[in-house]
Amino acid sequence: DSGVTQTPKHLITATGQRVTLRCSPRSGDLSVYWYQQSLDQGLQFLIQYYNGEERAKGNILERFSAQQFPDLHSELNLSSLELGDSALYFCASSRTSGLGNEQFFGPGTRLTVL
Amino acid sequence: AQKITQTQPGMFVQEKEAVTLDCTYDTSDPSYGLFWYKQPSSGEMIFLIYQGSYDQQNATEGRYSLNFQKARKSANLVISASQLGDSAMYFCAMRDFNTGTASKLTFGTGTRLQVTL
Repeated sequence: DSGVTQTPKHLITATGQRVTLRCSPRSGDLSVYWYQQSLDQGLQFLIQYYNGEERAKGNILERFSAQQFPDLHSELNLSSLELGDSALYFCASSRTSGLGNEQFFGPGTRLTVL
Repeated sequence: AQKITQTQPGMFVQEKEAVTLDCTYDTSDPSYGLFWYKQPSSGEMIFLIYQGSYDQQNATEGRYSLNFQKARKSANLVISASQLGDSAMYFCAMRDFNTGTASKLTFGTGTRLQVTL
């Protein structure tokens, strides 16, 4: 158990809908990262927050947004869902954003868009 | 841009034998970190080992060691005394720190390891 929690574990929804994925980092970790794992794109970085502020942005679609709250939990919002958004979404956390800080991953949320 | 290459889509190893999973990387940044993660069939990503670009010695964590050859830009994972529970997907990843904020991990495509009796 990495100490990172993600809810829900599974999510099935329809095209055009909006969903929110939630992540609680390990106790004491200030940095939260979101990744998407799909069959065709592999593991891709989406976005990083550090202590409430956006720090780095990857291949995140405009239909997707995220935030980190004062209690450091984070939410990833996916809207106008398409079939291609079906994937495993991981949240990871680390103590800081420093080089040697390994990222600990949550169990992931498996999103299926029908 | 950073790139991680894992050329072995699948590997087989017998129980109790050692196995090497290959990883090469490409970056123009002098400061970077290399990571290996294990993803069992259950889906979670498990951190295994870390090597910093300025570390003088190869990293080791129990049965895992990282064969870091900076000049060749390779960071191969060596698993000694393989166990059935080592059967999983293994990902090599890199993080640079040159900008001070780019803490994302760039992943390779992974190697599926199967440990046999």
